[in-house]
Amino acid sequence: AQSVTQLGSHVSVSEGALVLLRCNYSSSVPPYLFWYVQYPNQGLQLLLKYTTGATLVKGINGFEAEFKKSETSFHLTKPSAHMSDAAEYFCAVSGGGGKLIFGQGTELSVKP
Amino acid sequence: KAGVTQTPRYLIKTRGQQVTLSCSPISGHRSVSWYQQTPGQGLQFLFEYFSETQRNKGNFPGRFSGRQFSNSRSEMNVSTLELGDSALYLCASSLGESGRGNTIYFGEGSWLTVV
Repeated sequence: AQSVTQLGSHVSVSEGALVLLRCNYSSSVPPYLFWYVQYPNQGLQLLLKYTTGATLVKGINGFEAEFKKSETSFHLTKPSAHMSDAAEYFCAVSGGGGKLIFGQGTELSVKP
Repeated sequence: KAGVTQTPRYLIKTRGQQVTLSCSPISGHRSVSWYQQTPGQGLQFLFEYFSETQRNKGNFPGRFSGRQFSNSRSEMNVSTLELGDSALYLCASSLGESGRGNTIYFGEGSWLTVV
């Protein structure tokens, strides 16, 4: 069975500050890991994904995530937050069975 | 190229009615999956179709059904609507089968309100 836990349902940062959104997963098979962003009243947009190979994955809009197998983590970071980053972020895992298992989401607020 | 297109975007139905939602995947994509998003349950997998065959099904009652056509377009149907079916229904497509690391692209969703 697979599962995803996102630590913190709400994260607030100041503009220009580091963004760190935490994601831990559980998977009995080698996982494929994803981060999606959802802006209000919109669908999900892929930020980045990890399949195999390099454990540091770079995505769009300056985001990156590092796959740490020993810690079963896939935390999302961005060095400097921008107002436009305010949205909800979802971590997801897939591996067996062909479906994405999502975390509960983290709402990111960016203060001016 | 065009993304995943879902219609209708918004709809209101009455309890007991049925609803059909449509999804056109990205051109060339053969896998289509559906998800339900609610504030309480979050994002939950409904089903996946690949080459017109249902490959996987989530833990939803039989009132939820779907199909995929030869052109990869997909529809999902919910019969005997309940208030709890009010949700954002998201369609996603990928080039190959989900679960193999293929990038999965989502549409804007169909907002269903059951009154």
